[in-house]
Order: sequence, then C-alpha cells, then structure tokens
Amino acid sequence: EAQVTQNPRYLITVTGKKLTVTCSQNMNHEYMSWYRQDPGLGLRQIYYSMNVEVTDKGDVPEGYKVSRKEKRNFPLILESPSPNQTSLYFCASSLQGLGTEAFFGQGTRLTVV
Amino acid sequence: SQQGEEDPQALSIQEGENATMNCSYKTSINNLQWYRQNSGRGLVHLILIRSNEREKHSGRLRVTLDTSKKSSSLLITASRAADTASYFCATDTGTASKLTFGTGTRLQVTL
Repeated sequence: EAQVTQNPRYLITVTGKKLTVTCSQNMNHEYMSWYRQDPGLGLRQIYYSMNVEVTDKGDVPEGYKVSRKEKRNFPLILESPSPNQTSLYFCASSLQGLGTEAFFGQGTRLTVV
Repeated sequence: SQQGEEDPQALSIQEGENATMNCSYKTSINNLQWYRQNSGRGLVHLILIRSNEREKHSGRLRVTLDTSKKSSSLLITASRAADTASYFCATDTGTASKLTFGTGTRLQVTL
C-alpha cells in the first residue's frame, strides 16, 4: 500500500530536549516536505526536499532541521524545542513536486512544555 | 505567507444539498489543488486543476478556476455526512518549489 508514515503520532516533551520526527514514504517519490498546522493559520511549510541531499527552507524553518540521506526518509529535527513549536506536523511526498498529487502522513501532534 | 484564502470559513448544510467553497489567491499560479482533511488527520488529495484549465470533474466534485479573478471554487454535489471535513486549496507558482495552502473551509453535513 502506498503510504507516508510518520512517527511518533503523539509526543509530549520538555523545552530544550532534542527530538526527531521520522517520515518515510514507499512510493519512490522525489519530493518531500514538512508542514505544521496551527489553528487559524492553515498549513505552513517548514522545509522541503527535491531529492536526496537537496533540501531548502519553506516559510517557517526557524528552529527546525532536516536531512535527506535516502530517497525514502525525510526526518524533522528539533534541536532545542520550545513551546511555540507545539503544533500538528505533517510530512508529505509527491512524485515530482509541483503539479503532482501530494500524499500526506497521518500527522504528529507535538506538545512542548 | 498564505497564498490561498478559502471562503466561507465554515459551512453547515444538510445531507443531499450541494456545498460550494471558494478559494482566492494572490499571485499567478501554475496549478491549484483541493485537499480534504478529516479531523486532525492527514490531508487527502481530491483534484488538481492546471492554470490553462477552466473546469474539472471527479465524481461528485466539480472544480472551476478563473485565473483572471485569481479564484477557484469546489462544488460537492449531493453531499453526504461522510463529506464532513475541512477543505483546503493549495497553489504552486512554478517559481518557488512549494505548495502553499489556504486556511481551509470547515464543512459540516448533517443528516
């Protein structure tokens, strides 16, 4: 089954404790991206990757890091989480990026206390 | 920055009625997509319309695009309770490698 898998689904952590949210897709997609969703703000892009070793900032990259060492994986790293990073996070992939359907993971609800 | 803005923000209709939601955007686009999100879950792609297309159909969905007005509409005909969800438009401009989402329309379909 074609899918994008995020882990964990729920996470509560403390300020400053480094964490990684994993994202994996099994569709051999080139393009992957991370979004955060906050009430009243819709989805905002954090980072995206057009292929292995190619990443770039989205609209709200501050406080986040990503890497793309393999085509299927695109982890999101919060080196020092803060309460304003409490949000619902989505990973997405698409075959060639723009102009093609994006497949989304089920989301990771992160709470930073 | 938000490219698309959906209207209305919330819509409540009865089963069997049609639901129309609109999306306006600010800059010229290459493609516009509509997605559905059930409460707190991942988004699901519904339909993609390219800038040189004016109308597209998929099952009970009809999407129109008016590039002169920088707007799109999504019509769901004969709505069902299972259509209850939030609907988002997303645009790409072709110059920046990203998909920009609007803030969504929350649709409630009651029996």
